[in-house]
Amino acid sequence: EVQLLESGGGLVQPGGSLRLSCAASGFIFSTYAMSWVRQSPGKGLEWVSGISGSGGSTYYADSVKGRFTISRDNSKNTLYLQMNRLRPEDTAVYYCAKSSDNSGYYYLTDFFDYWGQGTLVTVSS
Amino acid sequence: QSVLTQPPSVSGAPGQRVTISCTGSSSNIGAGYNVHWYQQLPGTAPKLLISGNTNRPSGVPDRFSGSKSGTSASLAITGLQAEDEADYYCQSYDSSLLFGGGTKVTVL
Repeated sequence: EVQLLESGGGLVQPGGSLRLSCAASGFIFSTYAMSWVRQSPGKGLEWVSGISGSGGSTYYADSVKGRFTISRDNSKNTLYLQMNRLRPEDTAVYYCAKSSDNSGYYYLTDFFDYWGQGTLVTVSS
Repeated sequence: QSVLTQPPSVSGAPGQRVTISCTGSSSNIGAGYNVHWYQQLPGTAPKLLISGNTNRPSGVPDRFSGSKSGTSASLAITGLQAEDEADYYCQSYDSSLLFGGGTKVTVL
């Protein structure tokens, strides 16, 4: 059974940093691209970032480029999102999501067949 | 305002058929990119409902169906049930990965 478990959310001041983790199990982690998708309170879904299975290719939404860094440790089956220079508009539930394609490549056209339960990040003074 | 436009809400009585549109343009849906659909029940994470315009993952009831034509896609729910009350999102591509703004389905 595929499981994705996010952690690391919390309250942080504007300009601060936070690192999110997503522990994966139930599939061969290194063969699947992974993503972070966020949802601001009462709002819709927004793709944030994606990474290939090897970790060699990364992709970012314009809204977070230069501030967020996605990475993965395939030996630990864990996905990360390092968030720096946080802004109030980054307040959201952050979900990790597994791509359906098992080639390991990241496709911006691919869909997400499994999602974690999410972790809440609140940026406020 | 999302590049993929969905109605904010739709409603129907139990047993009825409702449709949710996802309207794009020639640079996304009209360019041939696939549309995928997700269901988000209250307080839970999104769940894949339809992939590649029309494909239902195993476990998704056949009451849910997807279609695509031109610059738009649609999700249809036939035989609406109380448990279908949720938010629904379409996803496609237009220089980046995009979601529609979401549609809240209310069962009257």
